[in-house]
Amino acid sequence: SQQGEEDPQALSIQEGENATMNCSYKTSINNLQWYRQNSGRGLVHLILIRSNEREKHSGRLRVTLDTSKKSSSLLITASRAADTASYFCATQGGSEKLVFGKGTKLTVNP
Amino acid sequence: NAGVTQTPKFQVLKTGQSMTLQCAQDMNHNSMYWYRQDPGMGLRLIYYSASEGTTDKGEVPNGYNVSRLNKREFSLRLESAAPSQTSVYFCASSEALRGSGGDETQYFGPGTRLLVL
Repeated sequence: SQQGEEDPQALSIQEGENATMNCSYKTSINNLQWYRQNSGRGLVHLILIRSNEREKHSGRLRVTLDTSKKSSSLLITASRAADTASYFCATQGGSEKLVFGKGTKLTVNP
Repeated sequence: NAGVTQTPKFQVLKTGQSMTLQCAQDMNHNSMYWYRQDPGMGLRLIYYSASEGTTDKGEVPNGYNVSRLNKREFSLRLESAAPSQTSVYFCASSEALRGSGGDETQYFGPGTRLLVL
């Protein structure tokens, strides 16, 4: 399976700090995506990085991808209480379906 | 645009009862999906539909049936509910045609919380 696995499972930080979450996967991919899920809501797509890209930015989000290590990281800078959510990585390889990891639960304390 | 909508939002069933979860999208997307989310298990794919008129099994299809009624609607049916089917169910859609190699960014509905007693 090429399922991504996020690390850590849970992360608690203070408002203003940076939050880093990692994702590892097992097989080659076409792209890797990060999603956010607020409590009691559906997942929301944040960012997609393709296998030939190494880094991508979107606002306060920075995603890196290391295909040699089969890993990705999501950095949220200057975190806010509103960033409190679960974050999931998802991998897509070839014509395969998107496969989601189990998520990192981020708590940002005011 | 409403995006992806799901009904009902919450349902309680007794073991053996049947029900249909409804999902509709207004983005003219080709592919639609049904997932279940359980604590500590992440999202698991139940069934998907790569295009109107086609459906395929995902990771955990047992106990479920689906119907792609048209391009907009994709329903999930529990014929005889069991306590193990207590979960939160999410419907999602993506523009990409599965198998086309396109990026499969998915858009999710708000979920249906199902409790089977």
